[in-house]
Amino acid sequence: SQTIHQWPATLVQPVGSPLSLECTVEGTSNPNLYWYRQAAGRGLQLLFYSVGIGQISSEVPQNLSASRPQDRQFILSSKKLLLSDSGFYLCAWSVAGLSYEQYFGPGTRLTVT
Amino acid sequence: EDKVVQSPLSLVVHEGDTVTLNCSYEVTNFRSLLWYKQEKKAPTFLFMLTSSGIEKKSGRLSSILDKKELFSILNITATQTGDSAVYLCAVPLGVNYGGSQGNLIFGKGTKLSVKP
Repeated sequence: SQTIHQWPATLVQPVGSPLSLECTVEGTSNPNLYWYRQAAGRGLQLLFYSVGIGQISSEVPQNLSASRPQDRQFILSSKKLLLSDSGFYLCAWSVAGLSYEQYFGPGTRLTVT
Repeated sequence: EDKVVQSPLSLVVHEGDTVTLNCSYEVTNFRSLLWYKQEKKAPTFLFMLTSSGIEKKSGRLSSILDKKELFSILNITATQTGDSAVYLCAVPLGVNYGGSQGNLIFGKGTKLSVKP
């Protein structure tokens, strides 16, 4: 069966510090991968999606970036965090070409102080 | 602008009650609507609806889609404290990339609290 992992589970970082969140999927090949942010009182906002290694599409302009160095690995980064980057970050995957169903990882709670 | 609107934003009921959660949408090139349940962390998939009038059912949860009036409802009968969660509704956006690449736009969710 497929599983999705994210780490760390929680993170407290000062403003201006770098960020690296990692997501890996097991049990499937060539998944579509997604990064979402969920701010308090708001819905899920899609940040990035990827259909293959090295292929990243950004949905919103911001100081975050994403990379997909391996088929089942998705990384969210920032060079300098802002207070507004605080939130709950979720990684998700879906089966390419079959369905719109997306399956979510456990998430990372990021607090920028 | 494509959007998904859920109502109510929050709801408090007692165990045994029946609840109805609403999701309305405006999206070009509609293909499907999805419901998720989010307890403390990851949203978990409940239903995907593509056809009007066909009810999907899983235990005490059921959902139906009305493509003419552009909405869906999620019903939960005989609620239990374990049903307490945020229920999210989502629709795929944009150009058809061949299915699963359809990026999802989510509503803000309905926070359901079930009291014993």
